Amino acid sequence: SQQGEEDPQALSIQEGENATMNCSYKTSINNLQWYRQNSGRGLVHLILIRSNEREKHSGRLRVTLDTSKKSSSLLITASRAADTASYFCATDPMNRDDKIIFGKGTRLHILP
Amino acid sequence: DAGVTQSPTHLIKTRGQQVTLRCSPKSGHDTVSWYQQALGQGPQFIFQYYEEEERQRGNFPDRFSGHQFPNYSSELNVNALLLGDSALYLCASSAARGRNGELFFGEGSRLTVL
Repeated sequence: SQQGEEDPQALSIQEGENATMNCSYKTSINNLQWYRQNSGRGLVHLILIRSNEREKHSGRLRVTLDTSKKSSSLLITASRAADTASYFCATDPMNRDDKIIFGKGTRLHILP
Repeated sequence: DAGVTQSPTHLIKTRGQQVTLRCSPKSGHDTVSWYQQALGQGPQFIFQYYEEEERQRGNFPDRFSGHQFPNYSSELNVNALLLGDSALYLCASSAARGRNGELFFGEGSRLTVL
């Protein structure tokens, strides 16, 4: 079964800097979604990018999708302390029998 | 507009016991999925319910079972609990009519098995 794999596993940056996280997957998809999870809490949907889209913005978030490389990136600009969380990519497979699969996530820590 | 609600938030059980977790989906949503998340890991798909039927299932043993009610709420049951069942159990709802879509998560039920 396909799976989103985030890279890096952990990332620490200074407040105000930009954070970039990557996701790779294995098979054809309908869309790719990014979620955020604060420690021990539920996941919050951030952004969805469809397979026919290459880039999408939402506030300080920028997501790119390269279906030829089966990869996506999430950029958070001007990071803030509140951005400290785990970030997961989730792939919605084109095969209707397959379910949404989450990766292990990138743990982002924003340093003051 | 209430989001996804889960109960209980925390619970402690002993090995061999049984547990039932409950989930009310976001208003207007008809599809409920359950995930298990171990510490430091990503959510692992357990199963998905739509129209009161299990539509998809992940790699979990039959000890894990579920139900969806006519009002779209759902339960997750785990029998013969093992230490390894200790995890955060997340419920997610969507308006996808049994297909995949944008997921709205509850805050989870943290299960500790002693």
